[in-house]
Amino acid sequence: SSELTQDPAVSVALGQTVKITCQGDSLRGYYASWYQQKPGQAPVLVMYAKDRRPSGIPSRFSAFDSGDTASLTITGAQAEDEADYYCHSRDGTGDHLFGGGTKLTVL
Amino acid sequence: QVLRQESGPGLVKPAGTLSLTCTVSGDSISNSYWNWIRQYPGKGLEWIGYFYYPETTNYNPSLKSRVTLSLDTSRHQFSLRLTSVSAADTAVYYCARSFGSRPINYIDHWGQGTLVTVSS
Repeated sequence: SSELTQDPAVSVALGQTVKITCQGDSLRGYYASWYQQKPGQAPVLVMYAKDRRPSGIPSRFSAFDSGDTASLTITGAQAEDEADYYCHSRDGTGDHLFGGGTKLTVL
Repeated sequence: QVLRQESGPGLVKPAGTLSLTCTVSGDSISNSYWNWIRQYPGKGLEWIGYFYYPETTNYNPSLKSRVTLSLDTSRHQFSLRLTSVSAADTAVYYCARSFGSRPINYIDHWGQGTLVTVSS
């Protein structure tokens, strides 16, 4: 299947840990990358290549890939982490794929 | 700012052609993948296609018959042309740079996005 599946919404209490998951066959061939998007803004890369963080992304963000599943974990979620999160990969023909997005609410 | 989306028509008539351009800063235009991605209002992201210098293209199969991407290295610009548009093409359009080779791939720079509405 050339799809990536994410839970539509997840919530977390301030300061607690939350995991956002992404599932799809394409993840067996490519590591997932993860993007944070706040209202009215372009997506921002937060994790890629299994466990790499771009410069400027807080260390509370981490990622893990195994088989057909990838996850993004925020350890000690902050109010500013409230956003939509998208996973991304590529399929066997090189087409880019995005998950449907997970809306994270920080309570 | 690596990518700057140029101002373009925010309103396109049905059956018309949508054209957008993105300007690239720096010297990476010949060794990166240049993508167009769109986002329907309030919804998720859809990849449209990419161009890789000098002439490699790859398009979303659902849009392939209507899309043309081009790259002008002398002007540091890459462009999207989408024909026969309908209301279903109303979205925010992003230009974006992707990087990496299997199993690593990621999109490290995005334009600011352009809302294009298809309406008469």
